[in-house]
Amino acid sequence: EAGVAQSPRYKIIEKRQSVAFWCNPISGHATLYWYQQILGQGPKLLIQFQNNGVVDDSQLPKDRFSAERLKGVDSTLKIQPAKLEDSAVYLCASSSLPGEAFFGQGTRLTVV
Amino acid sequence: QQQVKQSPQSLIVQKGGISIINCAYENTAFDYFPWYQQFPGKGPALLIAIRPDVSEKKEGRFTISFNKSAKQFSLHIMDSQPGDSATYFCAATPSGNTPLVFGKGTRLSVIA
Repeated sequence: EAGVAQSPRYKIIEKRQSVAFWCNPISGHATLYWYQQILGQGPKLLIQFQNNGVVDDSQLPKDRFSAERLKGVDSTLKIQPAKLEDSAVYLCASSSLPGEAFFGQGTRLTVV
Repeated sequence: QQQVKQSPQSLIVQKGGISIINCAYENTAFDYFPWYQQFPGKGPALLIAIRPDVSEKKEGRFTISFNKSAKQFSLHIMDSQPGDSATYFCAATPSGNTPLVFGKGTRLSVIA
């Protein structure tokens, strides 16, 4: 079974630029999460999708972050404009059962 | 607000020794408690998980001990090996389709 795929693996941008991350979840998984992991900390939820609907985006900084899940499969997370404090690893996870989460390798974003 | 408190922040254990990582929670609605293992450059991977109807769960060298009254759970790694060197995260979630809340992580180093 293929795992969660994410791209790109690394991205370096200047502050105020925009960036987008892509995630392809495990086939058949209805739930998709985006987490932000700042160096030395645990993952923090940004947004949760169930199929193509948003379940929880209470911790998403909506003034600069946006996310969508096209046709209930792939998802993109966008930051515009980026700030220095957005430097982190952005993790996508998917699940088919309550509570579980299978993570991708993440995208390491550096904002300079 | 940190809903899951994890300690210690870092841990050094001799090869063959026992590694113990502790977590505490406040939300009594939590009823699924997984542990994740993360190697550098990789996403977190599920290691072992427990529900509150049992006090202990063992899988190979990894054991979760759960104390519902104290609202604490811990990960024990028996016969620790250098290959166990990684960052370990505890997590928790209520029942239903709600996302995991993670602790801040413990960086384990197993030295020969």
